[in-house]
Amino acid sequence: DTGVSQDPRHKITKRGQNVTFRCDPISEHNRLYWYRQTLGQGPEFLTYFQNEAQLEKSRLLSDRFSAERPKGSFSTLEIQRTEQGDSAMYLCASSLWRDSSGNTIYFGEGSWLTVV
Amino acid sequence: SQQGEEDPQALSIQEGENATMNCSYKTSINNLQWYRQNSGRGLVHLILIRSNEREKHSGRLRVTLDTSKKSSSLLITASRAADTASYFCATVHSTGNQFYFGTGTSLTVIP
Repeated sequence: DTGVSQDPRHKITKRGQNVTFRCDPISEHNRLYWYRQTLGQGPEFLTYFQNEAQLEKSRLLSDRFSAERPKGSFSTLEIQRTEQGDSAMYLCASSLWRDSSGNTIYFGEGSWLTVV
Repeated sequence: SQQGEEDPQALSIQEGENATMNCSYKTSINNLQWYRQNSGRGLVHLILIRSNEREKHSGRLRVTLDTSKKSSSLLITASRAADTASYFCATVHSTGNQFYFGTGTSLTVIP
């Protein structure tokens, strides 16, 4: 149990619908990351927050994707107008970042999305 | 984009044998980390090695790092069936902001 929790764990949605995933990081962690992983691949970086500020977004994060971390604690990842290509596992991770030397990120169990 | 590449993609060994998997990367890094993932689960951090370190041990795990060759290896000694999982290396850029994962090595340990 890493302490990062994600909800829901599984979501099946019809193409065109919106979905939202929630992530609760380890409580004292100031950084929160979102990754996407498809079968047989490693996690791909989507975005990360330091406290409530979204500091970086991947080109993978199209304008249909939006992430927030309003109070610097939990985060949501919303996908609008879902497409079949969005089917993947969405992983959240958090870390206590002090400097660049030894940052370790801790993952949640992931949220599986299936778009039918 | 993914920066690390693990080799081999799949590895099958008998329980008790050692398992070695390699990771190559492309740019300068701050540190390199190895993670394990059981099927359908999240990733679990195993070990971190900094760019100024050459070798590190943790229990049955031994990690080496060769920054001149931009490569790392993970050795699991005396493997157990419970070690069956996918193993990923993650390279951390010098800013420490981004983690780039490879495609992973799928390890199967046969009892």
